[in-house]
Amino acid sequence: EVQLVESGGGLIQPGGSLRLSCAASGFTFSSYSLNWVRQAPGKGLEWVAYISGGSNTIFYTDSVKGRFTISRDNTKNSLFLQMDSLTAEDTAVYYCARDWFGVDCWGQGTLVTVSS
Amino acid sequence: EIVMTQSPVTLSVSPGERATLSCRASQSVSSNLAWYQQRPGQAPRLLIYGASTRATGIPARFSGSGSGTEFTLTISGLQSEDFAVYYCQQYNDWPPYTFGQGTKLEIK
Repeated sequence: EVQLVESGGGLIQPGGSLRLSCAASGFTFSSYSLNWVRQAPGKGLEWVAYISGGSNTIFYTDSVKGRFTISRDNTKNSLFLQMDSLTAEDTAVYYCARDWFGVDCWGQGTLVTVSS
Repeated sequence: EIVMTQSPVTLSVSPGERATLSCRASQSVSSNLAWYQQRPGQAPRLLIYGASTRATGIPARFSGSGSGTEFTLTISGLQSEDFAVYYCQQYNDWPPYTFGQGTKLEIK
């Protein structure tokens, strides 16, 4: 069974940093590109970042460029999102999402709350 | 950036009836469109990809159609578990991947 399990969310002050992790199982991790997708409370889905299987190709949505860094460790079947200079607008549930004709598998999400 | 617009925002339908949800792209996305279902408190779930192909395990009452800029998700014989929020997403011209704002399907 394909599984994605996020961790690392929590309450953080504006300007702070947080690192999200996603542990994957049930598939050949290095063969798939991955995304982070977020959802602000009561709002819709917003794509945040993409990384290819070999980490050769990385993309970010404009609002997080220069602040967020996506990475992966194929030896540990893990995806990461380093988030710096956080603002209230980054408050959301962050989903780890496997890239396949859109997104074919989602984690359960981890909540990031940016507030003083 | 391709803008995805879904209509209606809220759709009220009775159980057992058929629901028709629409998604429009600001420019052609060919057939590179996916539909997702999100139940309250849950992660989204892939229903349809390639505009019309059901994902693994998705019941046949869910069907997708369209290409270019106009797409439709039809749910026939609505069941209680189908009342949820539905999103479309284009993956033709990216980055960024873009989603519609969602259609809430509620019980009439």
